[in-house]
Amino acid sequence: GNSVTQMEGPVTLSEEAFLTINCTYTATGYPSLFWYVQYPGEGLQLLLKATKADDKGSNKGFEATYRKETTSFHLEKGSVQVSDSAVYFCALSAVRGGGNKLTFGTGTQLKVEL
Amino acid sequence: DAGVIQSPRHEVTEMGQEVTLRCKPISGHDYLFWYRQTMMRGLELLIYFNNNVPIDDSGMPEDRFSAKMPNASFSTLKIQPSEPRDSAVYFCASSSWGLGNSPLHFGNGTRLTVT
Repeated sequence: GNSVTQMEGPVTLSEEAFLTINCTYTATGYPSLFWYVQYPGEGLQLLLKATKADDKGSNKGFEATYRKETTSFHLEKGSVQVSDSAVYFCALSAVRGGGNKLTFGTGTQLKVEL
Repeated sequence: DAGVIQSPRHEVTEMGQEVTLRCKPISGHDYLFWYRQTMMRGLELLIYFNNNVPIDDSGMPEDRFSAKMPNASFSTLKIQPSEPRDSAVYFCASSSWGLGNSPLHFGNGTRLTVT
């Protein structure tokens, strides 16, 4: 079946530090890949997505590249801000066989300090 | 666009009581999902609907849980009777079409506490 594995958190960084949150996946078919972000007390929001191999999703300074050869979709940001503190979820949706459901990772909490 | 609206935001109830959670999806979205979030199990998909019809309820934990979508603008998730292990944040989400690359729009959730 489909699964997503994320690095455990929390990840604590100083402001302006470089961020990487690792995500690897297992899927049948040709999945689309997503990063969602959850701020305290809120629901998840789509951060970025990539729908095929070698695509790069980007938004608000965050980037992730769909790497089929390593089945990975790592999230990166060159310079984090305190306002980026949140929980980040990697997710996949398999176009074939996965129906219309997203499979989420367990989430990685990011804390950015001054 | 008001987004996905859930009510109530918080619900505290005693074990054995019936609990009803409500959701209004984004207008025009034809898919609706119910998720449960806990520290131990993360995000779990409970059930989803397409055009008001339940498509997959394999994530519903047991018969105490039921969900309905009587029309395109309203859905409920009911727990009867509730138990302390049902304590979690319940999210409703909707999307405009169900292909693999369609994003989900989440509500702010209902935090349920069963004592």
